[in-house]
Amino acid sequence: GQNIDQPTEMTATEGAIVQINCTYQTSGFNGLFWYQQHAGEAPTFLSYNVLDGLEEKGRFSSFLSRSKGYSYLLLKELQMKDSASYLCAVINSNYQLIWGAGTKLIIKP
Amino acid sequence: DAMVIQNPRYQVTQFGKPVTLSCSQTLNHNVMYWYQQKSSQAPKLLFHYYDKDFNNEADTPDNFQSRRPNTSFCFLDIRSPGLGDAAMYLCATSREPGTGGAVLEQYFGPGTRLTVT
Repeated sequence: GQNIDQPTEMTATEGAIVQINCTYQTSGFNGLFWYQQHAGEAPTFLSYNVLDGLEEKGRFSSFLSRSKGYSYLLLKELQMKDSASYLCAVINSNYQLIWGAGTKLIIKP
Repeated sequence: DAMVIQNPRYQVTQFGKPVTLSCSQTLNHNVMYWYQQKSSQAPKLLFHYYDKDFNNEADTPDNFQSRRPNTSFCFLDIRSPGLGDAAMYLCATSREPGTGGAVLEQYFGPGTRLTVT
C-alpha cells in the first residue's frame, strides 16, 4: 500500500523554530508538497520538492531525501498565525497525489 | 485574480435529499478534482477529470456523481446524503502532467461545508 506518516499534533512557542517530519512509502515518486490548512479553510500551497536537499522560502524551508523516503518542513520565527495543520502529500508514478493526515501545529505565546 | 470558486460555502441538506455543489475556475487548468475531507483527516479524492475524461476512485460510493460540462465548471451531486456524508468538500485544479512547468501543485477552492440533518 501507499502511506504517508506525520505526527498528529505538535506544540511550539511563538518566536521559536519547529520541524515537522513526514515519511512516505509510495509507488514511485514525482514530487512532494507541503500544504498549510487553517481550521475550516482549504489547503494552501507552501512548498514543492522533487530533488534531494533543502528549499528555502522566507520563514519556511522544506527538505527532501528520496533515498530515505523522508521530508521535513521547518518553520522559523513562529507567529501565532502559523497555528494550522500542515499536510504532506506525494505525487506517485501515476501522478496521483497521496495525502498525509496532517500535523496540527499549536503555537503558544 | 485567477482562482477556484466554490458555491455555496455552507450547505445544509436533509437526510436523503439530493444536493449539488458547484466549482468554477479561471485558471484554465485541464485537471479538476473533488475531495471529501472530514475533521483531522487527509483529503479523500472522490473523482478527477483530465479535461472531460472522468476518473472515479475505486472506493467512491455510487451515491456521489460528478459532471464537468466545460473546462471551467465542475459539479458534485450527492444523490441521497447520509449523516456520514457531512464533511468539507474541496474542489481543486492543476495543470496536466507534461504541460507547462515542473510543479504540479493543486489549487484549492475555499470548500463547501455540508451539514446533513
